[in-house]
Amino acid sequence: GAVVSQHPSRVICKSGTSVKIECRSLDFQATTMFWYRQFPKKSLMLMATSNEGSKATYEQGVEKDKFLINHASLTLSTLTVTSAHPEDSSFYICSARAQILGGPQETQYFGPGTRLLVL
Amino acid sequence: AQSVSQHNHHVILSEAASLELGCNYSYGGTVNLFWYVQYPGQHLQLLLKYFSGDPLVKGIKGFEAEFIKSKFSFNLRKPSVQWSDTAEYFCAVNRGGADGLTFGKGTHLIIQP
Repeated sequence: GAVVSQHPSRVICKSGTSVKIECRSLDFQATTMFWYRQFPKKSLMLMATSNEGSKATYEQGVEKDKFLINHASLTLSTLTVTSAHPEDSSFYICSARAQILGGPQETQYFGPGTRLLVL
Repeated sequence: AQSVSQHNHHVILSEAASLELGCNYSYGGTVNLFWYVQYPGQHLQLLLKYFSGDPLVKGIKGFEAEFIKSKFSFNLRKPSVQWSDTAEYFCAVNRGGADGLTFGKGTHLIIQP
């Protein structure tokens, strides 16, 4: 099946620093990747849609200057949390939409998530 | 904006009991519907999905869901649960492949042996 990885799995950083999270589709190409945020005991909330070779589309209320997204290739999207603050601590999850020939193109496959703790 | 409601936040059942988890969505147009499961310490996995056609959808591990358009519902069912079904279950919708998913708040299911 389609596999999506994220790196790192967890990261602790100091307030004011920037953190980069990578999302890779390992065995398929993904023109579209999505970034979600999951708060404790709450659901996943879509942050942005990342399209290969173009600017990301951000959901209402998500600061694009704070959460920089780059989708430089068909298998890699990165989320950079700039000038992180304690309130940015969360679980960040990416998903990739599979472009499998003859397959269910509208299924998203999720990465394992990245736990960010900002001190 | 579309929204997804899951009625049960916590469900506790005994093994072999039947399961039904409710899911309702608010979007009036054509939607794709999904159920995802998150086992403890693991990432989200797709249980089943509905795009079109037969409104009764079969998924993995004996799960099924029924799309009832008139009720804007997509309830998840399993006739006989197992201890290994203990997990968090999320209902999600989108309007098409290009869209991100809107998730419900999840249902924490605990199966007692």
